[in-house]
Amino acid sequence: DAGVTQSPTHLIKTRGQQVTLRCSPISGHKSVSWYQQVLGQGPQFIFQYYEKEERGRGNFPDRFSARQFPNYSSELNVNALLLGDSALYLCASSHGNTYNEQFFGPGTRLTVL
Amino acid sequence: AQKVTQAQTEISVVEKEDVTLDCVYETRDTTYYLFWYKQPPSGELVFLIRRNSFDEQNEISGRYSWNFQKSTSSFNFTITASQVVDSAVYFCALSEEGADGLTFGKGTHLIIQP
Repeated sequence: DAGVTQSPTHLIKTRGQQVTLRCSPISGHKSVSWYQQVLGQGPQFIFQYYEKEERGRGNFPDRFSARQFPNYSSELNVNALLLGDSALYLCASSHGNTYNEQFFGPGTRLTVL
Repeated sequence: AQKVTQAQTEISVVEKEDVTLDCVYETRDTTYYLFWYKQPPSGELVFLIRRNSFDEQNEISGRYSWNFQKSTSSFNFTITASQVVDSAVYFCALSEEGADGLTFGKGTHLIIQP
């Protein structure tokens, strides 16, 4: 069975630009969560979507937004990029709530210059 | 607020030694879940274990074992007879029932030298 997939693998943007990251969950999973992992730190929760509705939001500015599609795939959008947005963005899927076992994708490495 | 502390930033041992990674958590909830994940250099987080707050039984899976002690708010992870392939960053994480997302510690970088 295919695991969680994310695209693109790597991305380089300049300050002020906008970026869209994509995630496809494991088949049958209806929940997708997004995390930001800055170098040397643990992942930080950004959003959770379940059945296409936002279920949770971490402490991130409004420049960060996300959505979930009818096929349960998800997009994370970041506007007005800052240097500090450079990080590994991880997507995780699960059957339901975030206290269920979550399966992570390989991540998208975003570099903001 | 929930918090996870992994005080060991980096541990280096020689292959075949036993090694324990510490995890201390803080939560006000009585129902919560604890996790360990492994992050190899490729970057993908690999799920190792989930424990709920009502199950204090220790768990063993091959060379891996976990010791959950509510009295000290700790959920430590031991690798017995370590191998080079165990080299990775290990994260402990906490989720409260009804809370948003997982709260991760800063991770412990484990280096197993041949």
